[in-house]
Amino acid sequence: DTEVTQTPKHLVMGMTNKKSLKCEQHMGHRAMYWYKQKAKKPPELMFVYSYEKLSINESVPSRFSPECPNSSLLNLHLHALQPEDSALYLCASSQRTGENTEAFFGQGTRLTVV
Amino acid sequence: GEDVEQSLFLSVREGDSSVINCTYTDSSSTYLYWYKQEPGAGLQLLTYIFSNMDMKQDQRLTVLLNKKDKHLSLRIADTQTGDSAIYFCAESRSGGYNKLIFGAGTRLAVHP
Repeated sequence: DTEVTQTPKHLVMGMTNKKSLKCEQHMGHRAMYWYKQKAKKPPELMFVYSYEKLSINESVPSRFSPECPNSSLLNLHLHALQPEDSALYLCASSQRTGENTEAFFGQGTRLTVV
Repeated sequence: GEDVEQSLFLSVREGDSSVINCTYTDSSSTYLYWYKQEPGAGLQLLTYIFSNMDMKQDQRLTVLLNKKDKHLSLRIADTQTGDSAIYFCAESRSGGYNKLIFGAGTRLAVHP
């Protein structure tokens, strides 16, 4: 099983809503990541979790709140988003956080904020 | 992707070879990756190369690395219509964490 599963695939939310994106992997990977990809742009790193602890926050606004309940799950809680936050949110995992490890990506959640 | 540069578009005929080029900036990057993204989908890892290698071949894919010029290329032999996608090169930044810095992506269009 080399899959990273993200749900939902699509999400439309209002600016006052609270929603969560979910990511799951069963490869025994101890590093998990959130990336954001705007239309026609490359993915950009948001957060890195290593052994369920937040290791990197790339100056992401607090309206995005990550959570890693266990080694297989990664959530991204969304609150009071803006239309410019509309993007494809990609989750990834790797065996560890060292720079020489392959990162496997999920299919993404396409988020539209209205 | 400002530190990793790629040409934005490549059009090839089915059956020909495609060569997608990339330049990167961090000379300490030890791993360099190629990812494929089909429309509306996530990223698929295609291949990667260690910085102490010059070349890596994997079936129809050949990666060439010129570390002196910080130039990376991906050659796809016998390109098929199913290869149409956006191809991202990425470098893994040093610092202990697998932070991937992506290029802007090259859109490969394969025509009959």
